[in-house]
Amino acid sequence: DTEVTQTPKHLVMGMTNKKSLKCEQHMGHRAMYWYKQKAKKPPELMFVYSYEKLSINESVPSRFSPECPNSSLLNLHLHALQPEDSALYLCASSLLAGVPNEQFFGPGTRLTVL
Amino acid sequence: ILNVEQSPQSLHVQEGDSTNFTCSFPSSNFYALHWYRWETAKSPEALFVMTLNGDEKKKGRISATLNTREGYSYLYIKGSQPEDSATYLCASPGYSTLTFGKGTMLLVSP
Repeated sequence: DTEVTQTPKHLVMGMTNKKSLKCEQHMGHRAMYWYKQKAKKPPELMFVYSYEKLSINESVPSRFSPECPNSSLLNLHLHALQPEDSALYLCASSLLAGVPNEQFFGPGTRLTVL
Repeated sequence: ILNVEQSPQSLHVQEGDSTNFTCSFPSSNFYALHWYRWETAKSPEALFVMTLNGDEKKKGRISATLNTREGYSYLYIKGSQPEDSATYLCASPGYSTLTFGKGTMLLVSP
């Protein structure tokens, strides 16, 4: 299984809602990533987990809360988001953290905040 | 924060044409250069991870070269096919994070 899966594919939420994005991989990868991609811009790194521990937080607002319950799962909890947070959220994994490692991406969750 | 630049922004070629794009990146503290292909509504797919100056990698009709001293990489597609239509992203260093370029959007017409 060389796939990274993400659910849901699409999500519409209000500014007062709480929702979660989920990401799963069964390739035995020990590094997992969240990226945010706005239209016509490159993906921007948000968080990196290495061996289920948060290793990088790229100054992301606290309304985004990542969680890595085990080595196969990565969640992104959303609360009190703003309309400008509407974007494609991509999850990725790699064998280990570190730039020479190829990253495998999921298809993304398209988030709209009303 | 690193500046990774790609050119051209978009490209429209006919089936059978060969084409190439450029990725430029800061040459200091180089670790690796990644090329990804991203088709609409699909996941970005890794094409190459390049680490050595002078590296040349090939996958089918697609190949890439790397010059770490001057900070650029070229991606070549020989005999483009409609299924090559996608956005091609390059991404480069800091140690444990990838900074992506804005991509080159390729459209290959039959």
